[in-house]
Amino acid sequence: NAGVTQTPKFQVLKTGQSMTLQCAQDMNHNSMYWYRQDPGMGLRLIYYSASEGTTDKGEVPNGYNVSRLNKREFSLRLESAAPSQTSVYFCASTPRGWTGEPWNTEAFFGQGTRLTVV
Amino acid sequence: ILNVEQSPQSLHVQEGDSTNFTCSFPSSNFYALHWYRWETAKSPEALFVMTLNGDEKKKGRISATLNTKEGYSYLYIKGSQPEDSATYLCAFLTGKLIFGQGTTLQVKP
Repeated sequence: NAGVTQTPKFQVLKTGQSMTLQCAQDMNHNSMYWYRQDPGMGLRLIYYSASEGTTDKGEVPNGYNVSRLNKREFSLRLESAAPSQTSVYFCASTPRGWTGEPWNTEAFFGQGTRLTVV
Repeated sequence: ILNVEQSPQSLHVQEGDSTNFTCSFPSSNFYALHWYRWETAKSPEALFVMTLNGDEKKKGRISATLNTKEGYSYLYIKGSQPEDSATYLCAFLTGKLIFGQGTTLQVKP
């Protein structure tokens, strides 16, 4: 009954350090997403992966890279962390929204990663 | 750029008041419109997923309507309770899932 699992839950980085946020889902979903949450701005899409083997930029991709390692896992990497990347990061998954796939189900979210860059 | 706009940004009501929020979204390439309830320090939880123009969904005191032709959805809460205090997010599903900035509701006892 795990759903979407994100690690770590908390992280403090120094400016310039790198790190990878991990996300895994066990619901056999095709699409996975990374969002960041900042006060007053809802959830902004960083990158998404519509299916295994594909990734696309979202609204705020600068400073991030992603890897869809397999159908279950979608990681987000900060190569050189900056204070502007201080945020709460959420991973989410959906079955998929393309024709022929079910799109009438909701997204499932991980518990979030609170990242502080000092 | 896909714009999903929610209004108002925040709302303060008294217990027992009824309230509603608006979500506007592009009327093209529509697959679904989602509503989520998001409490502080938790993950968003789905309230409704709406796919057809004219859809109306209800869960207890909360209901939602959808107009895909004009690109808007309303979320209604009847007889607000303090436990309804949360941020309510709508999300537009086209090839990707795009969220609005949310409406934060505070219900005072």
